[in-house]
Amino acid sequence: GAVVSQHPSRVICKSGTSVKIECRSLDFQATTMFWYRQFPKQSLMLMATSNEGSKATYEQGVEKDKFLINHASLTLSTLTVTSAHPEDSSFYICSAPSSGGAGTDTQYFGPGTRLTVL
Amino acid sequence: AQSVSQHNHHVILSEAASLELGCNYSYGGTVNLFWYVQYPGQHLQLLLKYFSGDPLVKGIKGFEAEFIKSKFSFNLRKPSVQWSDTAEYFCAVGPSGGYNKLIFGAGTRLAVHP
Repeated sequence: GAVVSQHPSRVICKSGTSVKIECRSLDFQATTMFWYRQFPKQSLMLMATSNEGSKATYEQGVEKDKFLINHASLTLSTLTVTSAHPEDSSFYICSAPSSGGAGTDTQYFGPGTRLTVL
Repeated sequence: AQSVSQHNHHVILSEAASLELGCNYSYGGTVNLFWYVQYPGQHLQLLLKYFSGDPLVKGIKGFEAEFIKSKFSFNLRKPSVQWSDTAEYFCAVGPSGGYNKLIFGAGTRLAVHP
C-alpha cells in the first residue's frame, strides 16, 4: 500500500522560533497533499491543501502567514510554523491521495508530528 | 454546512460483543465515505471506504459498513470484537470525484475488555 512519511516525529522548540515539518509520499506521486491538525482527544481539522506548482489553499480561520506551505516536488510538501507560540502546540498530520482511478482517490496519512512550543 | 456526526464518543465492550458505531453526515452532492482507525500511538489507517456500488462495504479485520443514502448514514459494524480492536474510530466524508478533502467526525473511542 501507499506510504506517507513525516519528519520529524516530535519537535520541541522555544516560543518565537520557526519549525519545519516535512511530508513525503514514499512510493507514489502526489500533486496534492493535505495538512491537518489534531488537538488532544479531538478529531482532525483540515488546515490547508498543498498544491504542487501553485499556492496552497487554506481553510477558513487558518493564518497563511503563520503556517507556510511549500509543495516542492511531487513527493514532498513542507509545513513551516513561523514564530511558534505555545498555542501552536499540537499534532500535525499530513495526507496524500493515491489515485485508484477517476473519483476513487484514497487518502493515506502520515504518522504525524508532535509539536511542543515552550 | 458540511459536517460529520459520530453519536458515540466512548464505547466500552467485552470481547466477543457486537459493535455498531453510528455516523451521519451532512454534505451537498455525491460523496465518498470512509472509516479510519487510530490505534494507540499509531497513525490513522484506512479501515474501509465506499465510493459507489454495493452499499454494504467490507473492510479489513472483519469490519463492515453500510451506506444508507436516505438516512445520510454510514454505520460501522463488527459482529464480534477483540481486545485488539481497542482504538479510536473516525468517520470521514469527502467529495466524489474530487481531491478527497475530507471532513472528519469527532471520533469514537472504543475500549474492549478481555
